[in-house]
Amino acid sequence: GENVEQHPSTLSVQEGDSAVIKCTYSDSASNYFPWYKQELGKRPQLIIDIRSNVGEKKDQRIAVTLNKTAKHFSLHITETQPEDSAVYFCAAAAGGGADGLTFGKGTHLIIQP
Amino acid sequence: NAGVMQNPRHLVRRRGQEARLRCSPMKGHSHVYWYRQLPEEGLKFMVYLQKENIIDESGMPKERFSAEFPKEGPSILRIQQVVRGDSAAYFCASSPGVDEQFFGPGTRLTVL
Repeated sequence: GENVEQHPSTLSVQEGDSAVIKCTYSDSASNYFPWYKQELGKRPQLIIDIRSNVGEKKDQRIAVTLNKTAKHFSLHITETQPEDSAVYFCAAAAGGGADGLTFGKGTHLIIQP
Repeated sequence: NAGVMQNPRHLVRRRGQEARLRCSPMKGHSHVYWYRQLPEEGLKFMVYLQKENIIDESGMPKERFSAEFPKEGPSILRIQQVVRGDSAAYFCASSPGVDEQFFGPGTRLTVL
C-alpha cells in the first residue's frame, strides 16, 4: 500500500518569512495530492490540492509543487501570518481522489511574531 | 448547504461497551470515508463506502469494527467491545466522487 513521509515534524518561522513542508510517497499509482490544515480540536480543512497531470499550483500565498519522477511534493507558504499556525498534513491517493487518503504524520507550523 | 455532520461529538464508553458513531455526508455526496486520528498523529484511513456498499475496508481492523452506509440515513461506524486503545478522534469525510473530501467535525471517543 501507499506510504507517505512528511518532514519536518515541527517548523518554526518568523512572521513574514516563508515555510516549506515536504512529503514523499511510495505508490506510483497515486495521482491526487491534497494538503490539509488542522487547528487544535478542529476538523482538517483542505487548503490546496494537486493532481499528477500538473507540476505546480498556486493560490495566493500558498503553492504546491509535485515531482512525479522523484515521488515528492511540497507545500510553500509565503509571507506567513500568525493565523497560519496549525498542523499541516499532506496526503496521497489513487483513483483521482476517489480512494481513501494516506496521510503523512503532520507538521506543526509555528509562526513567531 | 450544510457540511458533513457527525454525532455525537464526544462519546464516553466503558471497556466492553459498544460505540456507534454517525456521519451524515454533504448533500449530493454519495462517497463516505472514515478515518481515525490518535493524539499527536496523522489520520489513518479505515473504510470507504458508497450507498449500501463497502468499497475498501483495508484500513479497518477485522474484529470488533464494522461500517455501513444504508440507502436511507447516515453512515454508521460501529465498534463492539471497546478497549482503551480505541480512544481516538474519528473523522468522516464525504465527496461527490473524484474531488476533495470534506471532513466532519469528528467524534472524540474516550474509553474508560
